Amino acid sequence: QQQVKQSPQSLIVQKGGISIINCAYENTAFDYFPWYQQFPGKGPALLIAIRPDVSEKKEGRFTISFNKSAKQFSLHIMDSQPGDSATYFCAARTGFGSARQLTFGSGTQLTVLP
Amino acid sequence: NAGVTQTPKFQVLKTGQSMTLQCAQDMNHNSMYWYRQDPGMGLRLIYYSASEGTTDKGEVPNGYNVSRLNKREFSLRLESAAPSQTSVYFCASRPGQTLTEAFFGQGTRLTVV
Repeated sequence: QQQVKQSPQSLIVQKGGISIINCAYENTAFDYFPWYQQFPGKGPALLIAIRPDVSEKKEGRFTISFNKSAKQFSLHIMDSQPGDSATYFCAARTGFGSARQLTFGSGTQLTVLP
Repeated sequence: NAGVTQTPKFQVLKTGQSMTLQCAQDMNHNSMYWYRQDPGMGLRLIYYSASEGTTDKGEVPNGYNVSRLNKREFSLRLESAAPSQTSVYFCASRPGQTLTEAFFGQGTRLTVV
């Protein structure tokens, strides 16, 4: 039972293009939506996150768009660079205090061509 | 500036063997987690520890046990390894009450033959 569905599985973008990764969820108890970036041989690292009372959050070239009514959120990478080539995971959080847990999407392998 | 440290980084086991994956964090975080990562399935939570002295099952706990030895250390034990446990295992930690999300170790690549 996949509570967070992520697409596409893989994405190839030209340098300077826009990369878009989409996620959808069903559980309305999710209260925080982070995105993680993972390079080969490394652990995931927090990239950007959004709360459900905000429709958009931008940090540099990375933007999260959040649609609460549709239960969907997406990551946009503007002016994509070869150094952005990595696997990206969306996630959603439930629970309270120290018992909070993250549920991850299946991941998107992004390749940015030079 | 170590963050979350996992040992070993690589391990090959024979079916039926046992082993313990070690995890230590130096950020004084309350919560610690063990995930497994499999192709096309993202990261799935095995066990977590909300605070020292407590542990709880996650999504895929079968075949694993954990110990929260102290606030710094959280170990994952495979009592009788099976090929289905071939995976990359990640330990993570996070502060208890803040919105800050988890910090991950670099992973342990385990192969069970």
